[in-house]
Amino acid sequence: DTGVSQDPRHKITKRGQNVTFRCDPISEHNRLYWYRQTLGQGPEFLTYFQNEAQLEKSRLLSDRFSAERPKGSFSTLEIQRTEQGDSAMYLCASSTSGIQAQYFGPGTRLTVL
Amino acid sequence: DQQVKQNSPSLSVQEGRISILNCDYTNSMFDYFLWYKKYPAEGPTFLISISSIKDKNEDGRFTVFLNKSAKHLSLHIVPSQPGDSAVYFCAASEVNGNQFYFGTGTSLTVIP
Repeated sequence: DTGVSQDPRHKITKRGQNVTFRCDPISEHNRLYWYRQTLGQGPEFLTYFQNEAQLEKSRLLSDRFSAERPKGSFSTLEIQRTEQGDSAMYLCASSTSGIQAQYFGPGTRLTVL
Repeated sequence: DQQVKQNSPSLSVQEGRISILNCDYTNSMFDYFLWYKKYPAEGPTFLISISSIKDKNEDGRFTVFLNKSAKHLSLHIVPSQPGDSAVYFCAASEVNGNQFYFGTGTSLTVIP
């Protein structure tokens, strides 16, 4: 069990550029979640996958954000036309079926200049 | 709207004493509650959970209490150790587990 991994760990980009983050969940976990965390706040839910199906998206999620989980394995989160307000830690978590504790990756810290 | 609230941003406790971290929620549909611990530059680490059919769950030094009528849960750490110093988040989910709501965290410092 290698845990949840995320790549890259840090990303600095200029406003208006597109960025893509990758998450590799624990291999037997079929549930995958993306969160965003800013300083002094808790993780804020973005979206949820069960296998390859995206079953839930936050109402606050801008249409500049898109996520995929092809074949129910790894997942990608893309942000198009980044804005300075997108600067945050992006966390991925996975879990098994049913309501179970989520296991988090180390996060990708995005800085938009 | 913040459905899960942690009203104490920080807490300091002497080593060996009890740490009590509190969490309130507003959504009566929440069915599953969790506590996470977070060190700087790491993702949150799962500590302990409780479902709404219970009012207490214990795991070693960690005990979570749930008061559904008050919409309140608490995490007790006994005895507190310096390695417990971290930010603690409570989280909650409805029965389908499709979305988890987190509080803003409480920074615990255990003083040796």
